[in-house]
Amino acid sequence: GQQVMQIPQYQHVQEGEDFTTYCNSSTTLSNIQWYKQRPGGHPVFLIQLVKSGEVKKQKRLTFQFGEAKKNSSLHITATQTTDVGTYFCAGDFGNEKLTFGTGTRLTIIP
Amino acid sequence: ETGVTQTPRHLVMGMTNKKSLKCEQHLGHNAMYWYKQSAKKPLELMFVYSLEERVENNSVPSRFSPECPNSSHLFLHLHTLQPEDSALYLCASSPRDFHYEQYFGPGTRLTVT
Repeated sequence: GQQVMQIPQYQHVQEGEDFTTYCNSSTTLSNIQWYKQRPGGHPVFLIQLVKSGEVKKQKRLTFQFGEAKKNSSLHITATQTTDVGTYFCAGDFGNEKLTFGTGTRLTIIP
Repeated sequence: ETGVTQTPRHLVMGMTNKKSLKCEQHLGHNAMYWYKQSAKKPLELMFVYSLEERVENNSVPSRFSPECPNSSHLFLHLHTLQPEDSALYLCASSPRDFHYEQYFGPGTRLTVT
């Protein structure tokens, strides 16, 4: 079946260090979405990428969509304690639903 | 954020009980979703409603029964659940369909004893 693999599963970083999570699909995606879920909270939409090679920025967050539209990444520069949470990618294969990755749980060491 | 609300927030039920989860969205969206979130598993889509019609039933056991009386309300009726059904149940809505960003409610933490 169509799956979205996300790595790493966990990431512990010192405050101020950078963080990156990767999302990979075996087949081409129509688009990809990114969500953040704080501990004890619910997923919150961050961004949607649609075009091949697209790069979008939100303050310290940089999102990329691969040229082949099979992979994506989220990079956070100079992490802060407010960045703690689990980051999910969700792929749209054009089959009537989003397929979520397993998420990357980010913890920050102050 | 109060765009999507869910009640109850926590629910403990026995395997022979019948209960219902409620979701309401105040965003004027046309599509609503039920997801199950278990530990160490990806979010699992259960049901999708678009303009009050069910468009996706992701091989969910019949002990889960959805109801969408209008575009603002969504229910999940539960009966004779199993302990492995314990999870966080999330409701979400989107402007039209799954191609658009989804707005999640706070979830109902369900424990089946």
